[in-house]
Amino acid sequence: DAKTTQPPSMDCAEGRAANLPCNHSTISGNEYVYWYRQIHSQGPQYIIHGLKNNETNEMASLIITEDRKSSTLILPHATLRDTAVYYCIVRVKNSNYQLIWGAGTKLIIKP
Amino acid sequence: KAGVTQTPRYLIKTRGQQVTLSCSPISGHRSVSWYQQTPGQGLQFLFEYFSETQRNKGNFPGRFSGRQFSNSRSEMNVSTLELGDSALYLCASSLVGNLGEKLFFGSGTQLSVL
Repeated sequence: DAKTTQPPSMDCAEGRAANLPCNHSTISGNEYVYWYRQIHSQGPQYIIHGLKNNETNEMASLIITEDRKSSTLILPHATLRDTAVYYCIVRVKNSNYQLIWGAGTKLIIKP
Repeated sequence: KAGVTQTPRYLIKTRGQQVTLSCSPISGHRSVSWYQQTPGQGLQFLFEYFSETQRNKGNFPGRFSGRQFSNSRSEMNVSTLELGDSALYLCASSLVGNLGEKLFFGSGTQLSVL
């Protein structure tokens, strides 16, 4: 099963772009990369997902390398409310599409 | 459109008791999955239901069970509670549970077993 590796924590200044990396070197060709974030004791919030191409929505951008072994989530103008744990997840096809969660990255936005 | 609703939000039980948690998915969503989140183990998949059938199951003992009703609402049950069952239980829904679909999560039920 594809696994993801993320740094345990990162800091970012308010108003700057936050770039969160993720390694998923064993990902299969038809497995999607998802990003969620979780603020303490709340349910995870969907951010973005992608397969091969870069994706952008109102919350963030997702950059996936050409070999698909890593990706970067970009929050273009981080605010204090973006402080959360960010999870990079691969949706595993051979387990009926269940999500395999890692430990995530604790992102702290500093004023 | 209402989001995923989980009830109750908080629950306190004692060892040996059983508990039932409820999840109402987003209207039109037919796939409902359940997750357990603890500080030590992180988020772990429990099971997924689609059209009232359990489609996939994680590595949890048989004390953990669930069901889905014809309106897609789902319940999960934990029997003979143990201290280690204390956790945040999360429910997520999606349209049909396909690979490229977003999952929408509820706020969870925080279960404390004393």
